[in-house]
Amino acid sequence: QVQLVESGGGVVQSGRSLRLSCAASGFNFSSYTMFWVRQAPGKGLEWVSLISYNGRNTYYADSVRGRFAIARDNSDHTLSLQMHSLRIDDTAIYFCVKAARGLFGDLWGQGALVTVSS
Amino acid sequence: EIVMTQSPATLSVSPGDRATLSCWASQSIGINLAWYQHKPGQAPRLLIYGASMRATGIPGRFSGSGSGTEFILTINSLQSEDFAVYYCQQYMNWPPFTFGPGTKVDIK
Repeated sequence: QVQLVESGGGVVQSGRSLRLSCAASGFNFSSYTMFWVRQAPGKGLEWVSLISYNGRNTYYADSVRGRFAIARDNSDHTLSLQMHSLRIDDTAIYFCVKAARGLFGDLWGQGALVTVSS
Repeated sequence: EIVMTQSPATLSVSPGDRATLSCWASQSIGINLAWYQHKPGQAPRLLIYGASMRATGIPGRFSGSGSGTEFILTINSLQSEDFAVYYCQQYMNWPPFTFGPGTKVDIK
């Protein structure tokens, strides 16, 4: 079954760290660029980060650069997002997204909720 | 950064009617535009890419048009399962990839 399943969400205090994972199945994971996209409560979608198919190239939104790190393990078909120095405004549902060749998201996970408390 | 805008914020439509959603880019993005459908608690779903190409499995009642800075998503004969929030996204100039604020289609 072609799917992405996120895990690792939860409640964390401001300033602490959290690591999200995404398990991919049903497609050749190592061939595709992957994204993280988030949705804050009551807000729209916000792109967070991108990693190339081989992991050599990474990009970040200004709001998370220097605090978040995207990585992938192609042997294990997993994508991760290590989040440090979390802030209240990082509270959101984080979606793992497979990018099609044109770099739009053609497969999305159900999302993992991250709540940052004071 | 390319800014995406959408109109209207909310569209009230009766089942069986047509819905027309608009999306604008702050600068030309060619046809590098995607539309997504998002229902609460679910994964967003790709509807349209390349401004007018339907994604795999998307019903024919969904159609996209436009190029440059103006784009339209049309949903003909709305079904109950079509009530959702719709987002446009540009993938011409990145980073960042940018989304519009969304249009909520609800039942009239």
